[in-house]
Amino acid sequence: SQTIHQWPATLVQPVGSPLSLECTVEGTSNPNLYWYRQAAGRGLQLLFYSVGIGQISSEVPQNLSASRPQDRQFILSSKKLLLSDSGFYLCAWSTPLGGNQPQHFGDGTRLSIL
Amino acid sequence: RKEVEQDPGPFNVPEGATVAFNCTYSNSASQSFFWYRQDCRKEPKLLMSVYSSGNEDGRFTAQLNRASQYISLLIRDSKLSDSATYLCVVTGGFKTIFGAGTRLFVKA
Repeated sequence: SQTIHQWPATLVQPVGSPLSLECTVEGTSNPNLYWYRQAAGRGLQLLFYSVGIGQISSEVPQNLSASRPQDRQFILSSKKLLLSDSGFYLCAWSTPLGGNQPQHFGDGTRLSIL
Repeated sequence: RKEVEQDPGPFNVPEGATVAFNCTYSNSASQSFFWYRQDCRKEPKLLMSVYSSGNEDGRFTAQLNRASQYISLLIRDSKLSDSATYLCVVTGGFKTIFGAGTRLFVKA
């Protein structure tokens, strides 16, 4: 069966520091991969999605970037964090059967910026 | 107008009650529809897909009305463990839109 791993679970970082969140998927090939952010009490905001190695689509311009160095690895990065980057970051995958399949989420990373 | 709209609630119901959530979407070309459940401070989890003919999974029934661009979720015989936020999700092509969710509190 397919599983998705996301780490770390919790992260506290100072303003201006760099960020690297990692997500890996097991049990499937060439998944569609997604990064979301959820602010406290708010809905999900799609940040990036990828349909293949090295391919990244950005939904919201900001100081975050994403990379997909391997088929089942998706990384979210920032060179300098802002206070507004605080939130719950979720990685998700879906099967590569077009864009109409349900997405499955990792446990999420709760990021606090001080 | 938001692409996917849900009543934010909260819905406060006693155990055993029947509760219904509604969701409307704006893109008539949308192709797939889902309900997710999100517990407090946890990730969303797929509850069920929604089909045009309507579908049922135990105490949960989902309905889709394409003409009215409307999705519903009915929960019968509510349990304390049903307390969560329920997200309506609509996809079309590579675009997936999550509703902001409806909060449900089931009380003893």
